[in-house]
Amino acid sequence: SQTIHQWPATLVQPVGSPLSLECTVEGTSNPNLYWYRQAAGRGLQLLFYSVGIGQISSEVPQNLSASRPQDRQFILSSKKLLLSDSGFYLCAWRPEWLAGESDTQYFGPGTRLTVL
Amino acid sequence: RKEVEQDPGPFNVPEGATVAFNCTYSNSASQSFFWYRQDCRKEPKLLMSVYSSGNEDGRFTAQLNRASQYISLLIRDSKLSDSATYLCAAHPAAGRRALTFGSGTRLQVQP
Repeated sequence: SQTIHQWPATLVQPVGSPLSLECTVEGTSNPNLYWYRQAAGRGLQLLFYSVGIGQISSEVPQNLSASRPQDRQFILSSKKLLLSDSGFYLCAWRPEWLAGESDTQYFGPGTRLTVL
Repeated sequence: RKEVEQDPGPFNVPEGATVAFNCTYSNSASQSFFWYRQDCRKEPKLLMSVYSSGNEDGRFTAQLNRASQYISLLIRDSKLSDSATYLCAAHPAAGRRALTFGSGTRLQVQP
């Protein structure tokens, strides 16, 4: 079965510090991978998605970046965090093909980031 | 106008009640739709997918109305454990590989 991992689970960082969040998927190959952010009491905002190694699409211009160095690894980074970067960061994957569920996305447990 | 809109609620209902949420979408080319359940401080979990007119799973029924561009989620015989935020999502169109989510509807089932 497929599983998705994210770490760390929680993070408190000062303004201006760098960030690296990691997401890995097991039990599948060539998944589509996504980074979302959910601010307190808000909906899910798509940040980046990737359809393969080294292929990143950015949805919202900001001080974040993403990389996919391996098929099942997706990394979210920042060189200098802002207060507005606080939120719940969710990684999701979508099977490249799965009968009857080709558009379904499954979420990891998330990383709760607080920027002080 | 947001691509996917939901009434934020909260919906406060007694145990055993039937409750329905609506979700409207603006992109008529959207092909598939989903309801996710999100508990406080947890990740969203897939509840139901809707590819045609509707889907039913136990106490939960999702219906799609393409003419009016909305999907609904009906929960019958509400349980305390149904208390959560329910997120609606749409797959906008072929070629865009990400779902668009609504902001969620909060349900509180009371004893």
